[in-house]
Amino acid sequence: GQNIDQPTEMTATEGAIVQINCTYQTSGFNGLFWYQQHAGEAPTFLSYNVLDGLEEKGRFSSFLSRSKGYSYLLLKELQMKDSASYLCAVTDGDYKLSFGAGTTVTVRA
Amino acid sequence: GAVVSQHPSRVICKSGTSVKIECRSLDFQATTMFWYRQFPKKSLMLMATSNEGSKATYEQGVEKDKFLINHASLTLSTLTVTSAHPEDSSFYICSAATLAGDVKEQYFGPGTRLTVT
Repeated sequence: GQNIDQPTEMTATEGAIVQINCTYQTSGFNGLFWYQQHAGEAPTFLSYNVLDGLEEKGRFSSFLSRSKGYSYLLLKELQMKDSASYLCAVTDGDYKLSFGAGTTVTVRA
Repeated sequence: GAVVSQHPSRVICKSGTSVKIECRSLDFQATTMFWYRQFPKKSLMLMATSNEGSKATYEQGVEKDKFLINHASLTLSTLTVTSAHPEDSSFYICSAATLAGDVKEQYFGPGTRLTVT
């Protein structure tokens, strides 16, 4: 089975940095995704990690430690438009995704 | 980038009727499509995996006779909610993936909001 945990909510100030943690226990692992989802919309791809280490893409970075079953998404220079739900998802290699419950990030002025 | 469309974006139907939702990959061939449902403030729950030309694989607890999935071509999969009930009201999202190359991400459709009255 799949067990993916992430915090329910986080609040941060515009311009600040926020780190969203995700821990997972899965029967198979072939990569971890982070998606952003605004209310009422479909998820949009942010990052994919399959090897240990940090992947940086603009204001967003994602880290993976396979031995610890741990990942985080780092959002820098927060903007109001970053207020959204952030979903951690693990794939078993067959393109099947198991999602965490999502972390709602609220950015305040 | 890859584009996946869904139709309709919103639908309201009466209890007992059936409603069909289409998922199309617009600029690539999707050998595999996935159907998810999402309740308010909850994460996506995988309902079934749809492979072109074969029967869908349903997740545990999902009624295959109620949620009929057809993947007739490499660019189209349909989900039919049969004999809909108010508890079927949800946000249904499809995604498409291709086995070509080493692309691992799924491309999500914009979702369909189903309301059963």
